[in-house]
Amino acid sequence: NAGVTQTPKFRILKIGQSMTLQCTQDMNHNYMYWYRQDPGMGLKLIYYSVGAGITDKGEVPNGYNVSRSTTEDFPLRLELAAPSQTSVYFCASSYQGTSYEQYFGPGTRLTVT
Amino acid sequence: DQQVKQNSPSLSVQEGRISILNCDYTNSMFDYFLWYKKYPAEGPTFLISISSIKDKNEDGRFTVFLNKSAKHLSLHIVPSQPGDSAVYFCAASDLSGTYKYIFGTGTRLKVLA
Repeated sequence: NAGVTQTPKFRILKIGQSMTLQCTQDMNHNYMYWYRQDPGMGLKLIYYSVGAGITDKGEVPNGYNVSRSTTEDFPLRLELAAPSQTSVYFCASSYQGTSYEQYFGPGTRLTVT
Repeated sequence: DQQVKQNSPSLSVQEGRISILNCDYTNSMFDYFLWYKKYPAEGPTFLISISSIKDKNEDGRFTVFLNKSAKHLSLHIVPSQPGDSAVYFCAASDLSGTYKYIFGTGTRLKVLA
């Protein structure tokens, strides 16, 4: 049981490049989330999904896209990388039943130069 | 507009003493609160939660207190241990069906041996 896994751990992008951050969970959780954490700040919700085929915007969705074709996977797409997207990205999942805590992946540190 | 605030960016406590971390919120619709602990280069891990129908929840050395009228919650760690040194985030949700959480900016706790 690996929990929530994220790849890659680190990435440097040039302005205008695109990339996909991968997130997979093996806990059969229905809810999945993408957050970004900037230095000295809390976690800001980018997108979330309540199940396969259903996604919705969070607080800071601009510049990102997501899809949820399976329960396990929730990739985050950056189409035209900008320096403002330099951040640490965390994927999380939860089972919305009797408990509500989220389980987080180890994060992806992204630098856009 | 910061709906969840952790006004102390850092806190130092002697080993064995009590650590008190504070969190204030502005949205009276929030009805579920969680605390997460985060070590460097790792994702946040769930620590303890509290529902708005309670004013206290205890789990071992960790106790969370909720004062709804003051829109304030606090995390008490007794006794504090060096391994508790980490960044602590509080998060709040209105459990409206979207299960979106708003995170505070975190408090860095250092427990001195």
